[in-house]
Amino acid sequence: KNEVEQSPQNLTAQEGEFITINCSYSVGISALHWLQQHPGGGIVSLFMLSSGKKKHGRLIATINIQEKHSSLHITASHPRDSAVYICAVNKEGAQKLVFGQGTRLTINP
Amino acid sequence: DADVTQTPRNRITKTGKRIMLECSQTKGHDRMYWYRQDPGLGLRLIYYSFDVKDINKGEISDGYSVSRQAQAKFSLSLESAIPNQTALYFCATSDPSGGKYNEQFFGPGTRLTVL
Repeated sequence: KNEVEQSPQNLTAQEGEFITINCSYSVGISALHWLQQHPGGGIVSLFMLSSGKKKHGRLIATINIQEKHSSLHITASHPRDSAVYICAVNKEGAQKLVFGQGTRLTINP
Repeated sequence: DADVTQTPRNRITKTGKRIMLECSQTKGHDRMYWYRQDPGLGLRLIYYSFDVKDINKGEISDGYSVSRQAQAKFSLSLESAIPNQTALYFCATSDPSGGKYNEQFFGPGTRLTVL
């Protein structure tokens, strides 16, 4: 079983919808990352968090350490949000990231 | 200019050929990583290096080797390429002073096809 699991694997929605992508992990962590991979392949960091909630524009990331679960929310989704969203964790005591398999999001106009 | 660059961006080669993928960074980071990405499997760590004299195997190092020529350069070699090494390869860097977050900065990727 993967240490980091994302759901759903694929998500298609209409422009304007509220989007939620989930990430569950089974190991102790020091931090969790949400990354965005554009259709051209480039990967950028969206959030790094170890507790609570962070917001950047229309994106919100939350984490519940006790439940070992994080969510990435997108409000008022737009076709330019179409990308693969990747959850990754820093395992406690390690300086390497462990990645989920990614969620492919498609927002239709 | 991009902080982390990879060459080539695309490569098609034949089974048995030796291939080198190169990564350069201008971020001044000590830590560098090589990953491969396959559909449905996410990113998997091939090798990582925490400084020029420190190189470590990741979870899928078989069939690969690396060279850390300088702080800024980290190369990945496939000594004898095979078709199941067809994948998207990413180089990444991180700064140890980033503490618990270990934010990584990714290159644009190299799409490798082995026929």
